[in-house]
Amino acid sequence: DTAVSQTPKYLVTQMGNDKSIKCEQNLGHDTMYWYKQDSKKFLKIMFSYNNKELIINETVPNRFSPKSPDKAHLNLHINSLELGDSAVYFCASSPLEGGYYNEQFFGPGTRLTVL
Amino acid sequence: KNEVEQSPQNLTAQEGEFITINCSYSVGISALHWLQQHPGGGIVSLFMLSSGKKKHGRLIATINIQEKHSSLHITASHPRDSAVYICAAVGGDTDKLIFGTGTRLQVFP
Repeated sequence: DTAVSQTPKYLVTQMGNDKSIKCEQNLGHDTMYWYKQDSKKFLKIMFSYNNKELIINETVPNRFSPKSPDKAHLNLHINSLELGDSAVYFCASSPLEGGYYNEQFFGPGTRLTVL
Repeated sequence: KNEVEQSPQNLTAQEGEFITINCSYSVGISALHWLQQHPGGGIVSLFMLSSGKKKHGRLIATINIQEKHSSLHITASHPRDSAVYICAAVGGDTDKLIFGTGTRLQVFP
């Protein structure tokens, strides 16, 4: 049973397109996150959702919009894709209490390539 | 300069060696994570600690909040420990998660 799953695993698209990455967790966690790992393998937090409410938006361009239909899902929509959006995007989740003060469970990542 | 620095950036070792990876930070923090990223790209959380020391199998993590330093130790290293190890500090005032640049470890048989 996969705890945190992401689809698709690979996404290749043209500049200017709109795309979505889906994330689902079956751990019963209340907090979910999106991270971006750039070409130099540097990780950065993008968003954090706690019980369907956005609690962190780390200066991410508004072309990126997280959407959480329920607490088990946190999808990432990206509009007007740019070359610099090429990266690996990781979804993660953690138990409600403490947010960052708890162990995080990561999805396998989605490699996005913008041509 | 990154607020969270790791050393060394790259590390090679022979199987069986004792490994130490260091993480130092310039901001006040309240907790710190150690993560392991496998060659295939998957990320696993190893430890979250806010004081003292934690041990899991051959892995030991220590933190000194006052000295703004944490270490990850691997005893009796094995080729399967080869991975990138990343520390991430939880900002004390902001609750922001700040990542280090990672340490690439290769353990040879």
